[in-house]
Order: sequence, then structure tokens, then C-alpha cells
Amino acid sequence: DTAVSQTPKYLVTQMGNDKSIKCEQNLGHDTMYWYKQDSKKFLKIMFSYNNKELIINETVPNRFSPKSPDKAHLNLHINSLELGDSAVYFCASSQGLPQSYNEQFFGPGTRLTVL
Amino acid sequence: AQSVAQPEDQVKVAEGNPLTVKCTYSVSGNPYLFWYVQYPNRGLQFLLKYITGDNLVKGSYGFEAEFNKSQTSFHLKKPSALVSDSALYFCAVRDPHSGAGSYQLTFGKGTKLSVIP
Repeated sequence: DTAVSQTPKYLVTQMGNDKSIKCEQNLGHDTMYWYKQDSKKFLKIMFSYNNKELIINETVPNRFSPKSPDKAHLNLHINSLELGDSAVYFCASSQGLPQSYNEQFFGPGTRLTVL
Repeated sequence: AQSVAQPEDQVKVAEGNPLTVKCTYSVSGNPYLFWYVQYPNRGLQFLLKYITGDNLVKGSYGFEAEFNKSQTSFHLKKPSALVSDSALYFCAVRDPHSGAGSYQLTFGKGTKLSVIP
């Protein structure tokens, strides 16, 4: 059973397009996250939702819009894609509140390439 | 503000030898500390964490880490390295007393571990 799943695994698109990445967790966790990992493997938090409520909204261009239809899903929509958006995007989840000591479970990642 | 540093971009060790991957942190209070491992083309996997209590924490796959408050360090160790341990290792910190900042888990830049057969 896949704990945290993301679709698609690979996404290749042209500049200016709009795309979405979907994430689902079957762990019953309350909090979900989106991270961006750049080409140097640096990992940075983008957003966090707790029970469908936005908790963390880092300095991310407003072209990025997360949506949480329920606490098991957190999707990421990106408008007007730019070359600099090319990266691997990871979804993660954890039990309880974001500030708890519970570890996060990561999805397999979505490799986004903007041409 | 919380921060974490992994001073080595890469660590190489011979199979069967002990390994250490270094991590130092900076927080205003007592930290929550984590180690994660990332294998090629995979997501991060949790290895171990320090919350409170014993300074020596044992985790998955034979890894352990020692919390040292005076040196603000949380180095990852394993007594005998395996080739299959070769991966990218991330240290992460959360300061639970930093207000809004406590919601964030801050990751180090990662250390690539190569275990040579």
C-alpha cells in the first residue's frame, strides 16, 4: 500500500502553461505539505495544510496555488509556468499539528521540467 | 530563527567501517531534530528523531544519532557501513518554541554518503 502518492511522476511542459500535481495520503494524517527540491537537492517548504486549513505559506509566487479538498488530499496548481519552476516537488504528511514532533512521510516526488 | 548546517557535501567510507554524517543546529530553545535519507529518484524516508530524554537515539537500518546540546550537534552514526547505505542524508530541525516558525521543519542541504565496496 502506498502511504503518500503523487501524480504524475514526471511532468514536461512548455513555459506559460498551467499544470497541476495531485497528492493523496492514506495514513489518516492531519497535516500535509508541499516541498520544492531544486537541482542542488536543497529542500524548501512551500505550503502546509492542517485539516484543510492553510498553515504555512512561504514566500512562493502566487502562481502557485494549493488546494485541499479534504484532509487526505493536497493538490498543487501552477499557473504560467516558468523555467525556474523546474524542480522535483514532494508532497508529505504527518500526524497532528505541524509544530508537533511527529515525523513526516514523503511521496515519491514529481519531476517538473519546463521547456 | 532556526537553522541547520551539514558541513560536508560528501562523505566517503569503506564498507564495514564506521560512518558519521555531521549536523549542527541553531535554535532559540530546545529543538526537535530529525534525520532523513533519500535514495536516488525517491522521496525522503524518516530515519530517527530526537525530542527529549536520552541523548543517544536509535533509528532504522542500524543508524543512531547523538544529541549534544553544548555543541549544538546531532551527528548521524552507524558502526558498520553497507554499500546499500549510499544515499543523500538530510538533517532537519524544528524549534517548537519559536512561534509561527515552529510550524516549519528546516532541512540542511544534504550530505551525500558513498560507501565503497
